[in-house]
Amino acid sequence: QQQVKQSPQSLIVQKGGISIINCAYENTAFDYFPWYQQFPGKGPALLIAIRPDVSEKKEGRFTISFNKSAKQFSLHIMDSQPGDSATYFCAAPGGSNYKLTFGKGTLLTVNP
Amino acid sequence: DVKVTQSSRYLVKRTGEKVFLECVQDMDHENMFWYRQDPGLGLRLIYFSYDVKMKEKGDIPEGYSVSREKKERFSLILESASTNQTSMYLCASSNQLGTSGNWAPKNIQYFGAGTRLSVL
Repeated sequence: QQQVKQSPQSLIVQKGGISIINCAYENTAFDYFPWYQQFPGKGPALLIAIRPDVSEKKEGRFTISFNKSAKQFSLHIMDSQPGDSATYFCAAPGGSNYKLTFGKGTLLTVNP
Repeated sequence: DVKVTQSSRYLVKRTGEKVFLECVQDMDHENMFWYRQDPGLGLRLIYFSYDVKMKEKGDIPEGYSVSREKKERFSLILESASTNQTSMYLCASSNQLGTSGNWAPKNIQYFGAGTRLSVL
């Protein structure tokens, strides 16, 4: 059974700052590690995903850093904007049958 | 574009009622999932289906059942709703086979907007 620990639970950043959310997983896996963004009243939406044979993936202001040996991965949001205020979930492949195990989420608030 | 549709955004039911939550996806995905989301607990998997008429229990299946008679539709059933089943319910789907190549993202799940269920 995959386990995922996500930190911090909540994060407050000033506009233009860098937001960093960390996740750690227990079991080695060979599928993608995705991050999801969820706005209030909406379902989680795929934000960015990384495959475990690369160390970094960048899409616009969003970057995933992946440390396979430490079993850790993190989301960096550069030049954070108030519109980025949302809950962010990391996820790790959960083993069989294409499952994902999710972190408990990080509530990000970007102040103007 | 990827589309997962949940039939209701909000539902209010009484204790003991039978409740059906419906989910439809238009991406021809093999896998479908039901989660519940509660503050501080994140997303917890209730049931999972990897093919028509096939299902597997997730982490919290007690008090729930599911039905998958067609590939595109996955239903969550609360046989006798209880107040502790008040929650946000999320449906998701994923492509089992993915696109070509060893690193096809076959485990990426796409979510519906959610159904907020209140059991009184």
